[in-house]
Amino acid sequence: LAKTTQPISMDSYEGQEVNITCSHNNIATNDYITWYQQFPSQGPRFIIQGYKTKVTNEVASLFIPADRKSSTLSLPRVSLSDTAVYYCLVGDMSYGDDKIIFGKGTRLHILP
Amino acid sequence: NAGVTQTPKFQVLKTGQSMTLQCAQDMNHNSMYWYRQDPGMGLRLIYYSASEGTTDKGEVPNGYNVSRLNKREFSLRLESAAPSQTSVYFCASSDGGAGSLNEQFFGPGTRLTVL
Repeated sequence: LAKTTQPISMDSYEGQEVNITCSHNNIATNDYITWYQQFPSQGPRFIIQGYKTKVTNEVASLFIPADRKSSTLSLPRVSLSDTAVYYCLVGDMSYGDDKIIFGKGTRLHILP
Repeated sequence: NAGVTQTPKFQVLKTGQSMTLQCAQDMNHNSMYWYRQDPGMGLRLIYYSASEGTTDKGEVPNGYNVSRLNKREFSLRLESAAPSQTSVYFCASSDGGAGSLNEQFFGPGTRLTVL
């Protein structure tokens, strides 16, 4: 699995757009980029997944530049309830024995 | 659908005691996983099961055993608990082969303290 690097923590204010960037310089051709969200005392929850360019769903957008060596999770107009840890994972979608690795993630703290 | 359920929610053990953490999913998923999460850390994979009857080691398997009882259930056993196993344990399942990045669905976790 490609190694990922994310900021340890970020602070933002309610109503702001938050962008969390993940670096994955060694991403392989077949690798996808997946983001999970974890609230305190809960298991992680899938947010979004993409391969290239831009993916958008009801929760977030994922921007992936042409070289795919990084990706940015964008949360529009955050609220206090978006305070959570966000994990970036990079790996192959095919069935194999690679193991999914969650790093320490980015601890996002939304302030009123 | 209940999704992924785990029992118990909390457990306190003394060093050397044994226990089994239970996990069940009702989504007919092929793959199931056990993770541990220590304070301020990410999740680390203990064991996973790509299908009924198969299990494989993850990143931190020492001190644990698992059983894929059937497609629905995947249990984690601590034979002789140690304080280093104090953690929150999460079970997850996904539709697709283990190791693929199909969406994983997580249970609520079991908080285990070993004294």
